Amino acid sequence: GDSVTQMEGPVTLSEEAFLTINCTYTATGYPSLFWYVQYPGEGLQLLLKATKADDKGSNKGFEATYRKETTSFHLEKGSVQVSDSAVYFCAPQWNSGGSNYKLTFGKGTLLTVNP
Amino acid sequence: EAQVTQNPRYLITVTGKKLTVTCSQNMNHEYMSWYRQDPGLGLRQIYYSMNVEVTDKGDVPEGYKVSRKEKRNFPLILESPSPNQTSLYFCASRSDRPGANVLTFGAGSRLTVL
Repeated sequence: GDSVTQMEGPVTLSEEAFLTINCTYTATGYPSLFWYVQYPGEGLQLLLKATKADDKGSNKGFEATYRKETTSFHLEKGSVQVSDSAVYFCAPQWNSGGSNYKLTFGKGTLLTVNP
Repeated sequence: EAQVTQNPRYLITVTGKKLTVTCSQNMNHEYMSWYRQDPGLGLRQIYYSMNVEVTDKGDVPEGYKVSRKEKRNFPLILESPSPNQTSLYFCASRSDRPGANVLTFGAGSRLTVL
């Protein structure tokens, strides 16, 4: 069945370091791809998304490119800040028919950025 | 402000004592869903609802019930809670409009069952 594999954490970086969080999926179709972020004590919120191959989603300095050939959607940021400390979830979304979309979450990657 | 509101935010209860976690959204969204978040397991879907009076099981529905009598509300019911239902619960909603399929999450409800 459809599934998602996300880089396990925790990840600890110093401020201004480069960040990559890997995400790959197995699919019987072409899902839309999302990254959600969960800041401490809060619910999840959308970070960025891409809906078709080669699309690049970007927000708050984060980027991810929809790679159909490698079924991947890796999250990157060139220079992380302490405020980026959070849990990051990769989430492919498949259309099961009509308006029925199935969203599958990765297990989450905890990022801690130290000053 | 557009939001999903869950209550209670924190609850400690005992095995077998029925409880309800409420969820309400003010965005007129058709779709609503409940997830539980556990360490090392990510988010797993419990139940979802495509619209009023339409509900369906997610990946981990055992021990839970839901109802959708009104569009804005989607309560999660634990008829006889057990310790393995200790978890962080999230309600979420989204619109069915094309291109608007992004979930809005509540702030979470942390439940402890003793």
